[in-house]
Amino acid sequence: EAQVTQNPRYLITVTGKKLTVTCSQNMNHEYMSWYRQDPGLGLRQIYYSMNVEATDKGDVPEGYKVSRKEKRNFPLILESPSPNQTSLYFCASSFTGEHYGYTFGSGTRLTVV
Amino acid sequence: DAKTTQPNSMESNEEEPVHLPCNHSTISGTDYIHWYRQLPSQGPEYVIHGLTSNVNNRMASLAIAEDRKSSTLILHRATLRDAAVYYCILRDPQHINTGTASKLTFGTGTRLQVTL
Repeated sequence: EAQVTQNPRYLITVTGKKLTVTCSQNMNHEYMSWYRQDPGLGLRQIYYSMNVEATDKGDVPEGYKVSRKEKRNFPLILESPSPNQTSLYFCASSFTGEHYGYTFGSGTRLTVV
Repeated sequence: DAKTTQPNSMESNEEEPVHLPCNHSTISGTDYIHWYRQLPSQGPEYVIHGLTSNVNNRMASLAIAEDRKSSTLILHRATLRDAAVYYCILRDPQHINTGTASKLTFGTGTRLQVTL
């Protein structure tokens, strides 16, 4: 089944403890992206990647890192999480081009205390 | 960036058609109109997209006004499983292959409630 897989689905952590949220897609998509969703603010892009070794900042990149060493994986790294990074995170992937829709993962609900 | 305007919420009875409107009066000639939906506790899901002509797929139909300043997502027979937030998004293919325009800019969408 074609899908974007995120892990974990739920995570509670403490301030300052480094964590990684994994994202993997099995559709050979070039484009991958991370979004966060917050009440009243909607979905906002954190980082994106046009292909392997090509990443760039989205609208809200502060406090996050990403890497794209393989086409299928796009992990989101929080080096020193803070409570304001408590949010619902979604990974998405797509072929490039206007005729392709995005496939989103099921989300990771992160709580930083 | 061209923006979209959608009603905050709509209600429908099950098994009836639903017409979800979207206004995009500042749309450019090259913007594609995309629709996504987000079911409760799930990630957004691609529904349909189009440029000028009406489009149909297994999920829905997209009717685009002749002047392209508005569009309507049509669910032919709403079911309880169609209860979701529906987002209308514009994408410019001139920049599709650059990261900035590949971004989907989500607005607040329309929350669709479906009742028995």
